[in-house]
Amino acid sequence: GEDVEQSLFLSVREGDSSVINCTYTDSSSTYLYWYKQEPGAGLQLLTYIFSNMDMKQDQRLTVLLNKKDKHLSLRIADTQTGDSAIYFCAETPGDDKIIFGKGTRLHILP
Amino acid sequence: NAGVTQTPKFQVLKTGQSMTLQCAQDMNHEYMSWYRQDPGMGLRLIHYSVGAGITDQGEVPNGYNVSRSTTEDFPLRLLSAAPSQTSVYFCASSYGSSPGSPLHFGNGTRLTVT
Repeated sequence: GEDVEQSLFLSVREGDSSVINCTYTDSSSTYLYWYKQEPGAGLQLLTYIFSNMDMKQDQRLTVLLNKKDKHLSLRIADTQTGDSAIYFCAETPGDDKIIFGKGTRLHILP
Repeated sequence: NAGVTQTPKFQVLKTGQSMTLQCAQDMNHEYMSWYRQDPGMGLRLIHYSVGAGITDQGEVPNGYNVSRSTTEDFPLRLLSAAPSQTSVYFCASSYGSSPGSPLHFGNGTRLTVT
């Protein structure tokens, strides 16, 4: 079945890099997404990657995709207090659905 | 642009009561969907619609009804609320139903059923 797995918590010191990992099950997923949820708000699209790409970089964000292992990661360079949020990985099985992981809560240590 | 607007922000219901969660978008998006978010469960798809007059079930549709009479509105109805429906509900829309269209989310409705 369709499932997206990610660890629930991550603590990182301010200024360090954060790496949030995700595994998905549907190899036919065309797009893979990272969404960010700040307290009391809905999810906002952070970045996405096409399934035919290995890497995408966007300022402090780097997305790596390993299609063979169905593994997706999000690296945030120079983590700041404003990066504290829940990060959701999502896959698109292609049947009008987007399947989300349970979310990784990123906690920034001073 | 208001984006995706959900009302109310908060609601408390007694078991057995009914209510409608409203969702409206002003972006002319064809695709709209409802999710519920529960601690440790992430986001689960309740119902979705790929256009006016078309709806379909998601992962957890039981206890919920939807309709899509206009492109802009996608209300979610709870006919007989149960404590298990205590959750935060998010409405989301996107330009198309294709996987490449990112979702735009509302700010959520926090529902408590006692």
